[in-house]
Amino acid sequence: GEDVEQSLFLSVREGDSSVINCTYTDSSSTYLYWYKQEPGAGLQLLTYIFSNMDMKQDQRLTVLLNKKDKHLSLRIADTQTGDSAIYFCAEDTGTASKLTFGTGTRLQVTL
Amino acid sequence: SQTIHQWPATLVQPVGSPLSLECTVEGTSNPNLYWYRQAAGRGLQLLFYSVGIGQISSEVPQNLSASRPQDRQFILSSKKLLLSDSGFYLCAWSVKAGNGEQYFGPGTRLTVT
Repeated sequence: GEDVEQSLFLSVREGDSSVINCTYTDSSSTYLYWYKQEPGAGLQLLTYIFSNMDMKQDQRLTVLLNKKDKHLSLRIADTQTGDSAIYFCAEDTGTASKLTFGTGTRLQVTL
Repeated sequence: SQTIHQWPATLVQPVGSPLSLECTVEGTSNPNLYWYRQAAGRGLQLLFYSVGIGQISSEVPQNLSASRPQDRQFILSSKKLLLSDSGFYLCAWSVKAGNGEQYFGPGTRLTVT
């Protein structure tokens, strides 16, 4: 089957904005999610967006959804060293709340 | 509040040995439960999910099996480990009538030698 695709790596300077992109596969997904994984830890849900929304803002996080292109992005404003992690997008499949995860983007924040 | 536990946190096992990883959830009832594997530097692969006691769905053919003997307990097992079973195993839960979001445990790092 098709993969939910993300770029592998992103490096930004502290204080700059980060934009992590995701191309998902299922146009019928109801919710799309962003998760954060710090080294050696489980995944932490950051935010999610309902499919009838174009944008959702939550403090430093902004999620943009382009349903036509099946493109999802996560913008982190004023990126901090604590934001260094792997970020996964995910889409729901409508079955038993199963999610399909992207390949993950490793964000590196430099001083 | 809800919490999810996994143990052990790390495990080193020889090829051919059995495996049992446990996951328990507290503070919720009748959750959906999931087992994922994350190979080094890779994304998450859904292995099994369960919508109720004794109900297990397998996503990929493999050397592993899962069981749900109690409502909030999910066990991942193998009779004989392979080198390719090495990875980071994550358990997760979700509510049935929620937004589909899943909540993850801290994970178990398994190294098969």
